[in-house]
Amino acid sequence: GAVVSQHPSRVICKSGTSVKIECRSLDFQATTMFWYRQFPKQSLMLMATSNEGSKATYEQGVEKDKFLINHASLTLSTLTVTSAHPEDSSFYICSASEDAGVNTEAFFGQGTRLTVV
Amino acid sequence: DAKTTQPPSMDCAEGRAANLPCNHSTISGNEYVYWYRQIHSQGPQYIIHGLKNNETNEMASLIITEDRKSSTLILPHATLRDTAVYYCIVRIYTGNQFYFGTGTSLTVIP
Repeated sequence: GAVVSQHPSRVICKSGTSVKIECRSLDFQATTMFWYRQFPKQSLMLMATSNEGSKATYEQGVEKDKFLINHASLTLSTLTVTSAHPEDSSFYICSASEDAGVNTEAFFGQGTRLTVV
Repeated sequence: DAKTTQPPSMDCAEGRAANLPCNHSTISGNEYVYWYRQIHSQGPQYIIHGLKNNETNEMASLIITEDRKSSTLILPHATLRDTAVYYCIVRIYTGNQFYFGTGTSLTVIP
């Protein structure tokens, strides 16, 4: 199956700093990528949808100025957590779809564990 | 918002079939049912999806009721490695986002 890779898999940062997480589709072109956040013992929560070459669409309640998303190419999307605080500590997961069809499965990255100290 | 309801947890004996139910009573005619699973601290893994016909692949079978208001994922011979949280997702027709519900935590018992 298609492969989606995230980097880094784990990151620890100091409160107030920014952290960038990369999501790459390794063997297909992803016109659409999605970013999720997952707190312990909870389900995945969709944060935003990014489309290559256009602005991301954020879900209600997600601060777009805090979670900056860039999808500059068909194989790379980045999520930057700006001015991170301990409450931003979470498991961040990206997924990618090859096209916009409703019958298209999404492939998920292995996730990034962010710890803000 | 997720449009599915699943039991929070289930147990299954190793080697037996695991039948995971999902209710999606408000599903629309063109919406697909997807199943993913998540093993602890990993990204979700695709299992199977379908529209109205039953589907089978090397991992599982998906049985969708005729009225499409519910479905069952069947793992024919559960192994310890199938212990995971299983998510049933209805794909919203107007977009291709996946909204996850609470899922079912399946524990395969030796």
